[in-house]
Amino acid sequence: GAGVSQSPSNKVTEKGKDVELRCDPISGHTALYWYRQSLGQGLEFLIYFQGNSAPDKSGLPSDRFSAERTGGSVSTLTIQRTQQEDSAVYLCASSLARGPAGTDTQYFGPGTRLTVL
Amino acid sequence: AQSVTQLDSQVPVFEEAPVELRCNYSSSVSVYLFWYVQYPNQGLQLLLKYLSGSTLVESINGFEAEFNKSQTSFHLRKPSVHISDTAEYFCAVNAGGTSYGKLTFGQGTILTVHP
Repeated sequence: GAGVSQSPSNKVTEKGKDVELRCDPISGHTALYWYRQSLGQGLEFLIYFQGNSAPDKSGLPSDRFSAERTGGSVSTLTIQRTQQEDSAVYLCASSLARGPAGTDTQYFGPGTRLTVL
Repeated sequence: AQSVTQLDSQVPVFEEAPVELRCNYSSSVSVYLFWYVQYPNQGLQLLLKYLSGSTLVESINGFEAEFNKSQTSFHLRKPSVHISDTAEYFCAVNAGGTSYGKLTFGQGTILTVHP
């Protein structure tokens, strides 16, 4: 079946502009995650959605970052007033969220490469 | 909080040689351990994971990792590597519980297999 898809694959923006990154999880996966991969910081957790529970936003680096998940499926990560340090690959993952907490295999999308000029 | 240290940022090796990619973690609670692999121009995919039971876990392509609780390590090994194993490998931990969704990754090890 189809894997996790993300759009756009590449995004170039100017400092100060807002950007929206989209993630389509695998059908039937109730958990959705956002991570950021950058040269200086490696792979960092950003936010996690599970069903109708309140999202875990503990990894968001500033209040310029926000995310929504509509209808328990598609998610949008929004970065307001982008800065050059926001340049990174933004990865989305999804999982079935069955079994004991933390045991899930997360399935990753190809990522969106964001470049802030 | 958890942390993961991958001791080698790059590992060059010749084809058919053995390899070990080292991973140590720090956590105040029990964790689940994962190795993910990122092949060139591809997304991250699970290689293997330790949840419980036997401390030695294997992947379908010949890699294995051993959970060592006393040394807080989860090193990845393969007795004979192929060119196609060239990739970046990430060790990760998940503490479960209230950290349900949060994978904490190491910095990655780039494995380059030379002919």
